[in-house]
Amino acid sequence: EPEVTQTPSHQVTQMGQEVILRCVPISNHLYFYWYRQILGQKVEFLVSFYNNEISEKSEIFDDQFSVERPDGSNFTLKIRSTKLEDSAMYFCASSAQGNTEAFFGQGTRLTVV
Amino acid sequence: GQSLEQPSEVTAVEGAIVQINCTYQTSGFYGLSWYQQHDGGAPTFLSYNGLDGLEETGRFSSFLSRSDSYGYLLLQELQMKDSASYFCAVQSNYQLIWGAGTKLIIKP
Repeated sequence: EPEVTQTPSHQVTQMGQEVILRCVPISNHLYFYWYRQILGQKVEFLVSFYNNEISEKSEIFDDQFSVERPDGSNFTLKIRSTKLEDSAMYFCASSAQGNTEAFFGQGTRLTVV
Repeated sequence: GQSLEQPSEVTAVEGAIVQINCTYQTSGFYGLSWYQQHDGGAPTFLSYNGLDGLEETGRFSSFLSRSDSYGYLLLQELQMKDSASYFCAVQSNYQLIWGAGTKLIIKP
């Protein structure tokens, strides 16, 4: 069964450092998303991406965040200068269409120290 | 603002039926989805309602009333493995807007 894969599963970084979280969406999906979940809290939307551009983003997705699809399979989230409050589980998801079910990866747990 | 309301916790007995309600207030609505999340795991898609009515998938059913901005997830023949958090989420444009989740506790 096709699945969304994310690497690394866990990343520890020092405050102020840049991190890149990587995702391989399901191969025939066209819409890609990043969500985050702070421990014990609800899932929060960050950004959606279609046709090589951002289609929607939340207030959380400020200038320190960026996304990229560097090749035909990878989808990355970059956080330029990490802050303590960026510590969370980051989930990548993909869907065949923009308004249909989204399939989630297992997440990257980011810890900023 | 945009909000989804669901109970924070529900307790049920193995083999029983449980219903988790969700009310929403969002700008833009394409449908209501339900996701299951075990501790430390990823959200797993359970069901989607784009139109009013009941959708059934095995032991799980989901209902939507767009006029009432209300939906529910019905879990039948509860098993211990169903212990998890359940999230309702509104599909709004290109994003999912999530409720805070309902922790389902199942007792033997």
